[in-house]
Amino acid sequence: DAGVTQSPTHLIKTRGQQVTLRCSPKSGHDTVSWYQQALGQGPQFIFQYYEEEERQRGNFPDRFSGHQFPNYSSELNVNALLLGDSALYLCASSLSQGYMNTEAFFGQGTRLTVV
Amino acid sequence: AQSVAQPEDQVNVAEGNPLTVKCTYSVSGNPYLFWYVQYPNRGLQFLLKYITGDNLVKGSYGFEAEFNKSQTSFHLKKPSALVSDSALYFCAVPLYGNNRLAFGKGNQVVVIP
Repeated sequence: DAGVTQSPTHLIKTRGQQVTLRCSPKSGHDTVSWYQQALGQGPQFIFQYYEEEERQRGNFPDRFSGHQFPNYSSELNVNALLLGDSALYLCASSLSQGYMNTEAFFGQGTRLTVV
Repeated sequence: AQSVAQPEDQVNVAEGNPLTVKCTYSVSGNPYLFWYVQYPNRGLQFLLKYITGDNLVKGSYGFEAEFNKSQTSFHLKKPSALVSDSALYFCAVPLYGNNRLAFGKGNQVVVIP
């Protein structure tokens, strides 16, 4: 079991550009959540996808969007990049029927640097 | 709103000594609580969770956590720290179901050889 895999591991972009990050969930998981972790901070919830739809969203602007594919993999897109978008982006997968008591499994993250 | 707080920024402990990482919670109803660990340049790894039942929860890598309802705390503990335990530790609580997690700010643990 490969667990949660994310690509790429590192990325450098220029302000104003657009970026796409990718995530493959743990085998058997159907729910994918994305988090942003700024340096020295805890992860902040961006949004969650289930059955190819955004189910929940945190306090992030519309520049952040996502997608989930039929195989449960997911993409995070960020448009019009700002310097403040520099962070570690974490993908987490879980089972929808696990509700609140099932742990989420995290990928190793994508380190995005905006210059 | 559901939240957790980690009051300390960094915990320094000598190798072989007991390790405690503190977490307090503010949760309505029965709390579900999690601990995760993050090693340098890595994602988060699940350590343990409290759902219900015994107040002492045992987890991975020799860690355990004590749930204390009267003190609204869920401190992470390890009887004998290893240098390899040096990492960032996060306490978390699920919001609105479906594993949307709210994390504390994290505690940097430094185990001194």
